[in-house]
Amino acid sequence: DSGVTQTPKHLITATGQRVTLRCSPRSGDLSVYWYQQSLDQGLQFLIQYYNGEERAKGNILERFSAQQFPDLHSELNLSSLELGDSALYFCASSVMDSNYGYTFGSGTRLTVV
Amino acid sequence: EDQVTQSPEALRLQEGESSSLNCSYTVSGLRGLFWYRQDPGKGPEFLFTLYSAGEEKEKERLIATLTKKESFLHITAPKPEDSATYLCAVPNQAGTALIFGKGTTLSVSS
Repeated sequence: DSGVTQTPKHLITATGQRVTLRCSPRSGDLSVYWYQQSLDQGLQFLIQYYNGEERAKGNILERFSAQQFPDLHSELNLSSLELGDSALYFCASSVMDSNYGYTFGSGTRLTVV
Repeated sequence: EDQVTQSPEALRLQEGESSSLNCSYTVSGLRGLFWYRQDPGKGPEFLFTLYSAGEEKEKERLIATLTKKESFLHITAPKPEDSATYLCAVPNQAGTALIFGKGTTLSVSS
């Protein structure tokens, strides 16, 4: 157990639908990162939150959004889902910024049918 | 543009057959290079951080080294349980995210 908790582990949904992925960071970590991993693209950075505030955006689609709550857990919202959104979504956490590396959760496997 | 390139994409070894994985990067002012191991369907697991050229770190059968332009992950006398995808990553210039290579998938057969 890495200390980073992601739920659910698996999610199957239809095109056009909206889903929410949840992440609880490791105790003491203030930064949360979301990544998407598909077979052909590898791990792609989506967005970072630090202590409740958005800090950086990567290749995140406008249909996707995220937030970090006062208790530091984070949610990634994916809407108007398309078949191409099927992927593994990982959350990672760190004490401050990425210069110290991350601890990853076990991921949510999203399948859009 | 910050980039991380790993080679080879896939590597098949016999048990006990040592080899090396390569990670080359283009980022100004390197502030650390990270190696992770990822098993199928699971999250990446941290292995090493290297900060300066010439640095070397060791964990069981793995030895990671760093030069000014690349890093190597040497696998000495591998066992089947070393089979996994090995990922290399560096922080982007702003320090806001790790940029990952696509990984090397290692298969070790007995």
